[in-house]
Amino acid sequence: KNEVEQSPQNLTAQEGEFITINCSYSVGISALHWLQQHPGGGIVSLFMLSSGKKKHGRLIATINIQEKHSSLHITASHPRDSAVYICAVEPTLLSGGGADGLTFGKGTHLIIQP
Amino acid sequence: KAGVTQTPRYLIKTRGQQVTLSCSPISGHRSVSWYQQTPGQGLQFLFEYFSETQRNKGNFPGRFSGRQFSNSRSEMNVSTLELGDSALYLCASSLAGVTYEQYFGPGTRLTVT
Repeated sequence: KNEVEQSPQNLTAQEGEFITINCSYSVGISALHWLQQHPGGGIVSLFMLSSGKKKHGRLIATINIQEKHSSLHITASHPRDSAVYICAVEPTLLSGGGADGLTFGKGTHLIIQP
Repeated sequence: KAGVTQTPRYLIKTRGQQVTLSCSPISGHRSVSWYQQTPGQGLQFLFEYFSETQRNKGNFPGRFSGRQFSNSRSEMNVSTLELGDSALYLCASSLAGVTYEQYFGPGTRLTVT
């Protein structure tokens, strides 16, 4: 069964700090998504990765396929970055995927204090 | 380009009733996925439709069903509602499936009393 573990579960930091959120999974995957959810429920897709590294503004996402691990980094954090960050993976057919859609982590609750 | 829309946004039903939720994807997107989010279980995959065919289904009972129309709009139906079905139901559209970027709707908040 595919497991997706995120750490930390909760993170409070000061404005300007460098933030790292980690995601580990247990099976081979074809894609990994990082999502952001603000209070009220709206979800925004931040990145979709299958290898390497992607950067968008102050956000950077990396993935190590061999180690089954991904990280989301936020540079120069700001209070508007306060949200829940969710990692989701699509297992490969070989890993039993293709029928179960995305599997999600429990999310990381991030609070950036001014 | 208009985003993903979901109707209704809020719904209150009683146990035993049934409910139908609607999702209109971004124009040109052919895949629609449905998810349930609860405080206890987090986000869970319900099903995915592509070109009017159910392609994937999550581990939910048969009371949960869906369909997709020729214009890619999708509906999901929950019959014989239970208290545990209270949740935020989200749909997401993409060009062709979950290995493409997902665009989420605002969700429908269902409360079962």
